[in-house]
Amino acid sequence: ETGVTQSPTHLIKTRGQQVTLRCSSQSGHNTVSWYQQALGQGPQFIFQYYREEENGRGNFPPRFSGLQFPNYSSELNVNALELDDSALYLCASSLAGGPRDYGYTFGSGTRLTVV
Amino acid sequence: TQLLEQSPQFLSIQEGENLTVYCNSSSVFSSLQWYRQEPGEGPVLLVTVVTGGEVKKLKRLTFQFGDARKDSSLHITAAQPGDTGLYLCAGENFDTGNQFYFGTGTSLTVIP
Repeated sequence: ETGVTQSPTHLIKTRGQQVTLRCSSQSGHNTVSWYQQALGQGPQFIFQYYREEENGRGNFPPRFSGLQFPNYSSELNVNALELDDSALYLCASSLAGGPRDYGYTFGSGTRLTVV
Repeated sequence: TQLLEQSPQFLSIQEGENLTVYCNSSSVFSSLQWYRQEPGEGPVLLVTVVTGGEVKKLKRLTFQFGDARKDSSLHITAAQPGDTGLYLCAGENFDTGNQFYFGTGTSLTVIP
């Protein structure tokens, strides 16, 4: 098992710019979820992808979008960055139907700072 | 929107003390998980509870799921500095299924 890897680990962008964050899922996991975590807070669910399609979304605007690729890796794209988008972005992979039985496997996250 | 409220938000105790963290919601969950997160890392799963009233033990940690499946508690006996971290509960909503919503978090510091 290689675990979940995210890149980059840190990123600084300017307000109004666009950003793409990447995630490589744990081997054998076909579902990926993205979370936004403010400092000292719990992660907020952004969306989940299964078989390259979005199958659930939290309370985030359309400028947050994603992709899942055939190898189950994933991207999170954020357009028109705002200062409040500064946070730790976590990617979590799981087997379909697996989060209840096996939980999520999280990456270490990408720390995004918008200035 | 956080569906799960955790209390206390911050907790600082001496090594050897006992503590309880609470996770409450007005929603019913089909299952609930507890995670621990250390600085610079992603959360790591501790336990999953599914049945109302269920109690699970993991060494010095005891987890309980409320009878109505709306709340949960985590009790740590004889806390150690290695228990320091952010404790998160996460509920699986009946409507969404397969998607877990996290609580507000409890930051625990155990002082040697």
